[in-house]
Amino acid sequence: GEDVEQSLFLSVREGDSSVINCTYTDSSSTYLYWYKQEPGAGLQLLTYIFSNMDMKQDQRLTVLLNKKDKHLSLRIADTQTGDSAIYFCAEFVESGANNLFFGTGTRLTVIP
Amino acid sequence: EAQVTQNPRYLITVTGKKLTVTCSQNMNHEYMSWYRQDPGLGLRQIYYSMNVEVTDKGDVPEGYKVSRKEKRNFPLILESPSPNQTSLYFCASSFGTSGRNEQFFGPGTRLTVL
Repeated sequence: GEDVEQSLFLSVREGDSSVINCTYTDSSSTYLYWYKQEPGAGLQLLTYIFSNMDMKQDQRLTVLLNKKDKHLSLRIADTQTGDSAIYFCAEFVESGANNLFFGTGTRLTVIP
Repeated sequence: EAQVTQNPRYLITVTGKKLTVTCSQNMNHEYMSWYRQDPGLGLRQIYYSMNVEVTDKGDVPEGYKVSRKEKRNFPLILESPSPNQTSLYFCASSFGTSGRNEQFFGPGTRLTVL
């Protein structure tokens, strides 16, 4: 599969901004996703960005895409304790049906 | 409520004892898949199915089987489980394979093989 890399851990204080980074390898990816996994639960789609965009904002979430560097980031403004979770980035590559590749996940811990 | 369900949620078994993890979705999705999640490795796809009676291998299919006899169900079968299959398993489904189709995930099945 494709290589999608994330750092494993991030800690921030409540009220600060969190930035979770992701790098991917396939320049032909068409969509890039952020999923959130809360403890004991499955993955929920948070947001996604189409590859011809460089920024998408959705309330407290901002996704930035640098296609040249194959770098994706998720910024969470005013981070709350309820944001503590594992965040996965994933890239979608149009190459048959086995085409969604996940990163390792970043565990975000929000300190009250 | 639209959802993907998996059973059981937790399972402890012994090496070699065949087991099946069921997955069912009520959204009439064509595409279903199984992933395993391991620390530091993220999610890796085991098998996927594009429609009834159509299944194919993902990245880590060894030691697993699947079947898709009906659209809503996609069971994962471990004929002879081994300790390296201890993991957290997720089933997912979507309408199709286009990037616009959100994948919906089940709650996960935590499997321990002793």
